[in-house]
Amino acid sequence: TQLLEQSPQFLSIQEGENLTVYCNSSSVFSSLQWYRQEPGEGPVLLVTVVTGGEVKKLKRLTFQFGDARKDSSLHITAAQPGDTGLYLCAGPLGTGNQFYFGTGTSLTVIP
Amino acid sequence: NAGVTQTPKFRVLKTGQSMTLLCAQDMNHEYMYWYRQDPGMGLRLIHYSVGEGTTAKGEVPDGYNVSRLKKQNFLLGLESAAPSQTSVYFCASSYSPPSGGLYNEQFFGPGTRLTVL
Repeated sequence: TQLLEQSPQFLSIQEGENLTVYCNSSSVFSSLQWYRQEPGEGPVLLVTVVTGGEVKKLKRLTFQFGDARKDSSLHITAAQPGDTGLYLCAGPLGTGNQFYFGTGTSLTVIP
Repeated sequence: NAGVTQTPKFRVLKTGQSMTLLCAQDMNHEYMYWYRQDPGMGLRLIHYSVGEGTTAKGEVPDGYNVSRLKKQNFLLGLESAAPSQTSVYFCASSYSPPSGGLYNEQFFGPGTRLTVL
């Protein structure tokens, strides 16, 4: 069982639709990161959230960190084909030196 | 400025063979990591290093060894490859430790696809 569970695992939507991806844990994280990974490449950081209840917006993407710092969500408004990819959440426990990654959500946006 | 590079990009091994994967970064980062990525499991940490000459075990260290003789390089070794080690391997580096809040961004290499027959 992994520390961070993401849902849904797969998501296929039409261009212009909205979607939300969830990242959940029973453990408390000192911060959470969201990455996007395209086929054949390494993950690239989208955002880091560090404060419980924090909301960050990057253009059409909205990220939220749960009040108890055990969960996070990524909301995409008006999805575009360029949003297609694997979305991963990740974070450290306390002051540890390890990042734990979520199980991933594979998003396909159909033109 | 190449960022994080990995060699080789692809490799096929037979069971029992050994190999070394090389990771290099030119960002003067202290922290380096080796992950494996398998379908439906995200990335899992194999080993990591908090500075030159140091290494530590991650979530799935069995069957792997690492070395960090130079700050810019982090090597991952498989002494006797097994089919269960078929995976995509990613190296990453960061300026701050994972607990470093807004400054703990990990920079990833392009990955090595390893198949063990």
